[in-house]
Amino acid sequence: DAKTTQPPSMDCAEGRAANLPCNHSTISGNEYVYWYRQIHSQGPQYIIHGLKNNETNEMASLIITEDRKSSTLILPHATLRDTAVYYCIVSAGANSKLTFGKGITLSVRP
Amino acid sequence: NAGVMQNPRHLVRRRGQEARLRCSPMKGHSHVYWYRQLPEEGLKFMVYLQKENIIDESGMPKERFSAEFPKEGPSILRIQQVVRGDSAAYFCASSPRVGTNTGELFFGEGSRLTVL
Repeated sequence: DAKTTQPPSMDCAEGRAANLPCNHSTISGNEYVYWYRQIHSQGPQYIIHGLKNNETNEMASLIITEDRKSSTLILPHATLRDTAVYYCIVSAGANSKLTFGKGITLSVRP
Repeated sequence: NAGVMQNPRHLVRRRGQEARLRCSPMKGHSHVYWYRQLPEEGLKFMVYLQKENIIDESGMPKERFSAEFPKEGPSILRIQQVVRGDSAAYFCASSPRVGTNTGELFFGEGSRLTVL
């Protein structure tokens, strides 16, 4: 079973920041937080991951609370193409399977 | 560098037939994972393989399903005597060998099986 909790859905306006929350209160010290997304029925796409420090790449930023019990994925300028199901996953990392939950459906409106 | 390649992209089978789904991992990747996504549901882990070894098959149904990743060639997910409930999208993912692995999985576009 997934060890994360996400709201089922949210929406945001195109051009605005999308802040997607995730709770992972039972995360272990060696577990990373990963974010993937699935656009329509395509294969899941890796977005970002982190252990305890905040991370940023060309797609998004990941903010992890100091106690590591929750995190927020930030898409700084959402576009219509960012409409997708976003999955927050905790995993031990290398050579560990990812357990997908239901994710959060992000709808970006014009 | 080509991504994870899955074929066929779409497969139609009648009940009782066999389905074979193939997955070629990214170049240099020696770990393969198979996931199944039933209509309107999330992705469910099936099996994790390294070359010639099954590492974790905890998500595989006990009967009719098997997977292999031979020394040469693609990984194969085989479903024998398919039933309508096997209709789903099957996704393959790969990751690099230990030592170069950040835990990121690279997914293919999936194979969509329809059982009539």
